Amino acid sequence: AQSVTQLGSHVSVSEGALVLLRCNYSSSVPPYLFWYVQYPNQGLQLLLKYTSAATLVKGINGFEAEFKKSETSFHLTKPSAHMSDAAEYFCAVKTSYDKVIFGPGTSLSVIP
Amino acid sequence: GAVVSQHPSWVICKSGTSVKIECRSLDFQATTMFWYRQFPKQSLMLMATSNEGSKATYEQGVEKDKFLINHASLTLSTLTVTSAHPEDSSFYICSASSGTSRSYNEQFFGPGTRLTVL
Repeated sequence: AQSVTQLGSHVSVSEGALVLLRCNYSSSVPPYLFWYVQYPNQGLQLLLKYTSAATLVKGINGFEAEFKKSETSFHLTKPSAHMSDAAEYFCAVKTSYDKVIFGPGTSLSVIP
Repeated sequence: GAVVSQHPSWVICKSGTSVKIECRSLDFQATTMFWYRQFPKQSLMLMATSNEGSKATYEQGVEKDKFLINHASLTLSTLTVTSAHPEDSSFYICSASSGTSRSYNEQFFGPGTRLTVL
């Protein structure tokens, strides 16, 4: 069965610093992986997705993620944090039945 | 891009009443819709999967008589919370998939509905 773990329920970075949010997955088949962002009291916005093409995926708002099969990881990064990046981030994996399973989420705080 | 709407965006109801939440795909036909529930500071938990014209498939632990799901058309699915109680207060999010690809069907998420049961 597919599953997702996110190391660190809360991450705090300084404005302008590197953002690194960790995601590890478990899947018995080649996975489709996603990163979503959620602002308070809002729905989900897709940041980027991995669908077995390039292992380095570029998304919106300067975010990117690298799929590493050997490490079963799909960590999200951004070179320079902005105050507007403060939000909840979810890593997710699509199952063989088209369901999307979400990780527990990581809350990102950006310190001015 | 594909847009999914939900109505209402928030609702407050009295305990014991029923509440209906609508999920619409505005610019594509959604063969499959998913309903999620999100408690404060927690992740999204899949409640059920519905395919147009057939009965919804509920996840383990979700009461199908409590959460009635109808997917009567390719653009509309509804979730009815029957006899709502305060513990049903939550953020409900739907997503829709067009199912046009054999290998990958992207889900598009609605903005969510905040339900508060007094």
